[in-house]
Amino acid sequence: NSKVIQTPRYLVKGQGQKAKMRCIPEKGHPVVFWYQQNKNNEFKFLINFQNQEVLQQIDMTEKRFSAECPSNSPCSLEIQSSEAGDSALYLCASSPTLSNERLFFGHGTKLSVL
Amino acid sequence: GQQVQQSPTSLVLQEGENAELQCNFSTSLNSMQWFYQRPGGSLISVFYNPSGTKQSGRLTSTTVIKERRSSLHISSSQITDSGTYLCAMERNSNNRIFFGDGTQLVVKP
Repeated sequence: NSKVIQTPRYLVKGQGQKAKMRCIPEKGHPVVFWYQQNKNNEFKFLINFQNQEVLQQIDMTEKRFSAECPSNSPCSLEIQSSEAGDSALYLCASSPTLSNERLFFGHGTKLSVL
Repeated sequence: GQQVQQSPTSLVLQEGENAELQCNFSTSLNSMQWFYQRPGGSLISVFYNPSGTKQSGRLTSTTVIKERRSSLHISSSQITDSGTYLCAMERNSNNRIFFGDGTQLVVKP
């Protein structure tokens, strides 16, 4: 069973709506990644954090997403204005080290934008 | 271009047959992992294998860093082995992990 908890499991939104998903990393893991997995199984790196700080993010994330990992609260990833192309599985992963020796994934949030 | 290339794209086996999955990297890498994903399930790290050979039960992973390749061997496949196998690499500790497109394995009775 995954110790990385992602909610909700499924999310359905209309185009233009906000879509927010959350992730509780495994206890003691300061590094958190968000990935987007499309229906072709392609993974796209979105953003990563170490503790509360953003380490890296792609342009799309910076322009259209809002993401944070506050202390003592779940990490969150929110699409500000959903588009049909955003329909995908959003995976959160945590790691105990910055060198990514081990990645532990949640079950993901499956977003459908109608 | 694709940094991580996996082959084959899909594989259908009869139960008991062996499987050989390949992963090739277009750049030098710092580390790599093999993951397993059941349909609708979360990713499970199967091997963290920067170099050399590791074995766990019926699974064996061999990574040759200099040749930028890794393989995953599944012996005596079982129906429950069906799913998607992904390899991923970390390149030079820049905090990004690049995934291959995966190999979809179907094991039939």
